[in-house]
Amino acid sequence: LAKTTQPISMDSYEGQEVNITCSHNNIATNDYITWYQQFPSQGPRFIIQGYKTKVTNEVASLFIPADRKSSTLSLPRVSLSDTAVYYCLVDRSSYKLIFGSGTRLLVRP
Amino acid sequence: DVKVTQSSRYLVKRTGEKVFLECVQDMDHENMFWYRQDPGLGLRLIYFSYDVKMKEKGDIPEGYSVSREKKERFSLILESASTNQTSMYLCASSSGPQETQYFGPGTRLLVL
Repeated sequence: LAKTTQPISMDSYEGQEVNITCSHNNIATNDYITWYQQFPSQGPRFIIQGYKTKVTNEVASLFIPADRKSSTLSLPRVSLSDTAVYYCLVDRSSYKLIFGSGTRLLVRP
Repeated sequence: DVKVTQSSRYLVKRTGEKVFLECVQDMDHENMFWYRQDPGLGLRLIYFSYDVKMKEKGDIPEGYSVSREKKERFSLILESASTNQTSMYLCASSSGPQETQYFGPGTRLLVL
């Protein structure tokens, strides 16, 4: 089973760009990489998903190198409201999903 | 907007009680999931269902069962609640195996 590894926590300041890297060495050919955001006492919320190279939406960018063994979630110009836990998820075509342990991002004023 | 609702936000039960947690989604999704979330352990998949009356075990199914009689509703059952089942329970749904999962707000269960 593909396992993901990401930093336990990160600190940043408002207005900075934040990059969170996730390692998934055993990713399979059919796997997609998905990132979720979770605020306290809420369910996770989808941020972005990608297979290779770069994906960008209105919230974030996702960078995936050619070997796909890692990925980097990039949050441009974070604000206090971006303080949350960010999960890196490797989607498997057989429905079984593997959530990483999550990265607790703290954005300071 | 996809909406996933869970029957209770907070629940307190006693050891040995039978507990039902209900989840309803309004987007006609094929797949529904039950997770539990504990500090330091992240989200762990208990059971999932890819169709009505179909279910599959996740990573930690022991002590739980599920029921999916209608497409929009997925129930998690604790036959005999134990204190180690105190946790946050999250329901999710999706339209396919690699599609976005939409989560409900969660039920925080305390078993005394």
